[in-house]
Amino acid sequence: AQKITQTQPGMFVQEKEAVTLDCTYDTSDQSYGLFWYKQPSSGEMIFLIYQGSYDEQNATEGRYSLNFQKARKSANLVISASQLGDSAMYFCASQYNTDKLIFGTGTRLQVFP
Amino acid sequence: DVKVTQSSRYLVKRTGEKVFLECVQDMDHENMFWYRQDPGLGLRLIYFSYDVKMKEKGDIPEGYSVSREKKERFSLILESASTNQTSMYLCASTGGIGYEQYFGPGTRLTVT
Repeated sequence: AQKITQTQPGMFVQEKEAVTLDCTYDTSDQSYGLFWYKQPSSGEMIFLIYQGSYDEQNATEGRYSLNFQKARKSANLVISASQLGDSAMYFCASQYNTDKLIFGTGTRLQVFP
Repeated sequence: DVKVTQSSRYLVKRTGEKVFLECVQDMDHENMFWYRQDPGLGLRLIYFSYDVKMKEKGDIPEGYSVSREKKERFSLILESASTNQTSMYLCASTGGIGYEQYFGPGTRLTVT
């Protein structure tokens, strides 16, 4: 079965530092997509970044980048220059040949001054 | 501005009640989804729909049903609410494979 693993239940980072949130996926499919979402305490899910399996370049969106290592089946999210507003739950999700998403269990990030 | 709305942010129901959770999207998306979110378990797919009157079971459909009579509206129904259905329920819609899913604000349901 397809699976997403996020091994870090919680992470702390100091403001202005960079942080990496880990995500590994399990698939034998050649075509798939990987997503990261942010969920603040208010509860809404905010799309951050997307990486397709055939994309040769790592995806970037502002301070967010996705470190895509296909051979290792990892899709880590890197947040540069952390801000207090980055404190939230972060979910990695995968998509295989349909538009259904499979989510990991999430990582709670706390940014401290 | 794209939008997915859900009928309630907070809902308290009694065991055995029939519960309706409504979701409406204004993006003309064909594909809509219902998830529940529980601590430590992430988001789990309950049901999804690819078109009006079409529905498919997700990973945890037991105890739930859905209705999609119009393209923009996707309803989740708890036929007889139980305490183990206390959870956060999230609705989403998407334009297709490779596109992000847009989520509603969520409904926190408590069944007592």
